[in-house]
Amino acid sequence: GAVVSQHPSRVICKSGTSVKIECRSLDFQATTMFWYRQFPKQSLMLMATSNEGSKATYEQGVEKDKFLINHASLTLSTLTVTSAHPEDSSFYICSARARREGNTEAFFGQGTRLTVV
Amino acid sequence: AQSVAQPEDQVNVAEGNPLTVKCTYSVSGNPYLFWYVQYPNRGLQFLLKYITGDNLVKGSYGFEAEFNKSQTSFHLKKPSALVSDSALYFCAVRDFNTGFQKLVFGTGTRLLVSP
Repeated sequence: GAVVSQHPSRVICKSGTSVKIECRSLDFQATTMFWYRQFPKQSLMLMATSNEGSKATYEQGVEKDKFLINHASLTLSTLTVTSAHPEDSSFYICSARARREGNTEAFFGQGTRLTVV
Repeated sequence: AQSVAQPEDQVNVAEGNPLTVKCTYSVSGNPYLFWYVQYPNRGLQFLLKYITGDNLVKGSYGFEAEFNKSQTSFHLKKPSALVSDSALYFCAVRDFNTGFQKLVFGTGTRLLVSP
C-alpha cells in the first residue's frame, strides 16, 4: 500500500516556541492532505484540509494563525504549531489521498506526539 | 451530516474466538465506509472499505466487514482473534458534502484479545 511518512515521531519543545511537523507521501502524489489531532483515548479530530498550491481549509474552532499549514508540493505538507503552549500537547496525525481517479482510501502517517513544557 | 457510531468503547475476546466490532452509520446517499486500526503511538492503518458491490468485504490481516443496508451497519469481524489484534479500531465514512470528501471517524473501539 501507499506510504505516508510523518516526521518527527516525537518532539518536546518549550512553551512559546514553534514546531514544524512534516508529512510526505513517499510513493504517490497527494493532491489532498488532512491534519488531525487526537487527544488521549479519543477519536481523531480533523483540524484542516490542504490542497497542493492553495490555502488550507480549517475546521470550525481551529485557529489558522496558530496551526499553519503549507502544502507546497504534491508530496509534502507541513503543519507548524506556532507559539506552542502546554495545551497544544497532543498526538498529531496526517493523512494523504492519492491523486488518481476513483474513490481511494486515505493513507496515514505514523503520527507525531508533541509535548510542550 | 454524515456520521458513524461505535457503540462499544471496548471489546474483550479470548484468543481463537471470533470477534465483532460494531459500527452503524447515518448518511445521505450511498455510504462509503472504512475501517482503520491504530496501534499505540502510531497512525492509522487501513483495513478495508465498502464502496459498492458485495456486502461482505474482505480486508487486511484476516478481517472482514459486512455491509447491512437495512440495519445501517458495517460491523468488523474476524473468525479467530489473535493477541496481536489488540488495538484501537475506527470506523469512518466519507463525507461527500464537503469539497474535500473528508473522512468522519467514529469514537473508536478498543479491542483487547486475551491469551
